[in-house]
Amino acid sequence: NAGVTQTPKFRVLKTGQSMTLLCAQDMNHEYMYWYRQDPGMGLRLIHYSVGEGTTAKGEVPDGYNVSRLKKQNFLLGLESAAPSQTSVYFCASGSTDRGYNQPQHFGDGTRLSIL
Amino acid sequence: SQQGEEDPQALSIQEGENATMNCSYKTSINNLQWYRQNSGRGLVHLILIRSNEREKHSGRLRVTLDTSKKSSSLLITASRAADTASYFCATDTKTSYDKVIFGPGTSLSVIP
Repeated sequence: NAGVTQTPKFRVLKTGQSMTLLCAQDMNHEYMYWYRQDPGMGLRLIHYSVGEGTTAKGEVPDGYNVSRLKKQNFLLGLESAAPSQTSVYFCASGSTDRGYNQPQHFGDGTRLSIL
Repeated sequence: SQQGEEDPQALSIQEGENATMNCSYKTSINNLQWYRQNSGRGLVHLILIRSNEREKHSGRLRVTLDTSKKSSSLLITASRAADTASYFCATDTKTSYDKVIFGPGTSLSVIP
């Protein structure tokens, strides 16, 4: 099993460009998450989804949009990239058991630089 | 503001010593989890402890939870150089159990 796969692994953008980060999971998990990680800040939740066709805002949603058209995929979009969005982006998936969150499974990250 | 916060921010110990990291949080939790992150990689789950549990063990790892103090600790016994990593606590709350929030992490260096 591949687990959680993020595409691409690295990307350099110019300010104002747009791009989409793709996350795919093969564990049939209901929940999927997008985080960004900056030095000294830990992981901050951008958006998440509790099922196909649903999305919700996390801690730092501004400047990002997401879509969950298929259960196994969760897309993160930057419509107009800004230097402040330079970061490492992590996708994770997980499930619940009787109302309790189960451990999340993480991809290896996308390193995004915006010049 | 972040729900959970680890302490210390950085810890350096000799191989064979024990390492203790603490996590404090602000609001009542449903679950608390600990994760490890090796440099340049994604996070790997270590232990999950529910709000009605006080202690859990997994190999050389021991996690305690004190809901009255809103704190948790992660103890790694007999540390190894391979334990060098960043360690994060993550919480979800009873009112927002689908949203998992991570703390800023503790950076652990184990010196051979």
